[in-house]
Amino acid sequence: DAGVTQSPTHLIKTRGQHVTLRCSPISGHKSVSWYQQVLGQGPQFIFQYYEKEERGRGNFPDRFSARQFPNYSSELNVNALLLGDSALYLCASSFTSYNEQFFGPGTRLTVL
Amino acid sequence: QQPVQSPQAVILREGEDAVINCSSSKALYSVHWYRQKHGEAPIFLMILLKGGEQKGHDKISASFNEKKQQSSLYLTASQLSYSGTYFCGPKGDDKIIFGKGTRLHILP
Repeated sequence: DAGVTQSPTHLIKTRGQHVTLRCSPISGHKSVSWYQQVLGQGPQFIFQYYEKEERGRGNFPDRFSARQFPNYSSELNVNALLLGDSALYLCASSFTSYNEQFFGPGTRLTVL
Repeated sequence: QQPVQSPQAVILREGEDAVINCSSSKALYSVHWYRQKHGEAPIFLMILLKGGEQKGHDKISASFNEKKQQSSLYLTASQLSYSGTYFCGPKGDDKIIFGKGTRLHILP
């Protein structure tokens, strides 16, 4: 079975632009979580979705939004990009919101 | 709110043992443990669900003391492949909050 997939792998944007990151969970998994990881730190929780509903939100500004589609794939949107948004964005899927999570390879976002 | 992991870093020789501790200030439902190698995504190691629960996988085991809001990861007879950064992720009633990680380097 395929693991969690994310696209794109790398992305370079300039300040003020908008970005959309995509995630496809493991087949059968209904929960998707998004994390931001900067160098030397652990993943920081952004959102969790289960059955297309938001189940949790981390301490990120309203510029960050997400949604989950009927096929359980998910998008993370970031508006008005700042230099500080440069990071590795990880998507993790799980069967429910309480099970172990399996991470995708991540999207490396660079904001110039 | 972020859990505290100790030590921050450790260097071992192959075959030595290590313990990584994780302490949280909030009530926990479960604790997740992950290992991340440089440039790669975190890999799930184990999840502990019950107070006092212990689990083991190969030569890696963990304990979870729900009352003390603490968890420890035990690596026995470490192998070169164990090198990486270990993260604990305590989970309360909603999200997982990861610690800053413990960097483990195994020398041959």
